[in-house]
Amino acid sequence: SAVISQKPSRDICQRGTSLTIQCQVDSQVTMMFWYRQQPGQSLTLIATANQGSEATYESGFVIDKFPISRPNLTFSTLTVSNMSPEDSSIYLCSVVRGADYGYTFGSGTRLTVV
Amino acid sequence: EDKVVQSPLSLVVHEGDTVTLNCSYEVTNFRSLLWYKQEKKAPTFLFMLTSSGIEKKSGRLSSILDKKELSSILNITATQTGDSAIYLCAVAGGGSQGNLIFGKGTKLSVKP
Repeated sequence: SAVISQKPSRDICQRGTSLTIQCQVDSQVTMMFWYRQQPGQSLTLIATANQGSEATYESGFVIDKFPISRPNLTFSTLTVSNMSPEDSSIYLCSVVRGADYGYTFGSGTRLTVV
Repeated sequence: EDKVVQSPLSLVVHEGDTVTLNCSYEVTNFRSLLWYKQEKKAPTFLFMLTSSGIEKKSGRLSSILDKKELSSILNITATQTGDSAIYLCAVAGGGSQGNLIFGKGTKLSVKP
């Protein structure tokens, strides 16, 4: 399976600021996703990061709040903008190389907004 | 609306016990069902079950997919304290291409 490096591992941020999370994969992958896990909740898909085009966002998530970049097939960033305490969550990137390879997750970023 | 439901939500057992975790789903365009173990942040892949592979086993863990009942179980035999974690069930399918739909998870606590 793909090896994913995600950073930062954790951060504590002031409300109103922004944080960019990076996800680097050791091989080219067709699909990359960003998930959020709020405290005590399961994972919820934020968006699909598309290489060379705008990300596809799920209902309830917008580009202004969660801008995503994917400049190539091995790298993506998620920015959490104008943060509030409600944004405190674990953020995870995930990749899939093909239908038979399953889904692999990055190590996650634990964000606390104070 | 696509959904994945896990039960129980939490479970406390003693070392050596056998546990069965349940997952049911209502997901359009079903492609596969996956089980993950989450101890800290990142879910760790356990199994992927598809129409062509409905039963998987790895050591003390095994899983079965019942496509007729739209459900799956994860069995853990001879549990150890290191099995304590949240076990997540996810289904690949639905309207969006490629993403996973997660259940809320089962929190397993194994006491010595």
